Amino acid sequence: EAGVAQSPRYKIIEKRQSVAFWCNPISGHATLYWYQQILGQGPKLLIQFQNNGVVDDSQLPKDRFSAERLKGVDSTLKIQPAKLEDSAVYLCASSPQGGAVDIQYFGAGTRLSVL
Amino acid sequence: KQEVTQIPAALSVPEGENLVLNCSFTDSAIYNLQWFRQDPGKGLTSLLLIQSSQREQTSGRLNASLDKSSGRSTLYIAASQPGDSATYLCAVFNDYKLSFGAGTTVTVRA
Repeated sequence: EAGVAQSPRYKIIEKRQSVAFWCNPISGHATLYWYQQILGQGPKLLIQFQNNGVVDDSQLPKDRFSAERLKGVDSTLKIQPAKLEDSAVYLCASSPQGGAVDIQYFGAGTRLSVL
Repeated sequence: KQEVTQIPAALSVPEGENLVLNCSFTDSAIYNLQWFRQDPGKGLTSLLLIQSSQREQTSGRLNASLDKSSGRSTLYIAASQPGDSATYLCAVFNDYKLSFGAGTTVTVRA
């Protein structure tokens, strides 16, 4: 079974530029998550999708971050414009249904450096 | 707001020694607690999931305990090996989402 795929693996941009990350979850998983992991910290949930609807985006900085999950499959996370403090690893995860008993499966992440 | 703390932040032990990793959380109204492993440049891998009604969970050399009332969990790794070197993160599920600790980075010296 293929895991969660993310691209690109690394991205370096200058502040005020735009960037987009892509995630393809495990086939059949209804729930998709985007996390931000700043160096030395644990992952923080940015947004959770159930199929193609948003379940939780309370910690997403909506003035600069946006995400979509078209057709309830793959997803894109965008930052526009980027700030220095956005430097982090962006992790995508998926789970079968999104409930408390689900295990989340994580991709390898995209490491973003904002200069 | 749930706060998850892991102490120590880093740990170095000789091969063969048992590892004890600690996790504490502030809100005891959790559905479950999970331990994850993170290798450099890789995503997180779930190691153990303990439901709120359980006291412990075991998988091979790994054993995790949960004391929900005191807001604590401990991950034990028996007879550590160099391949156990990684960062171990604790996460609790409540309020419909996972809240993670910052992790304990473990180095097992051959």
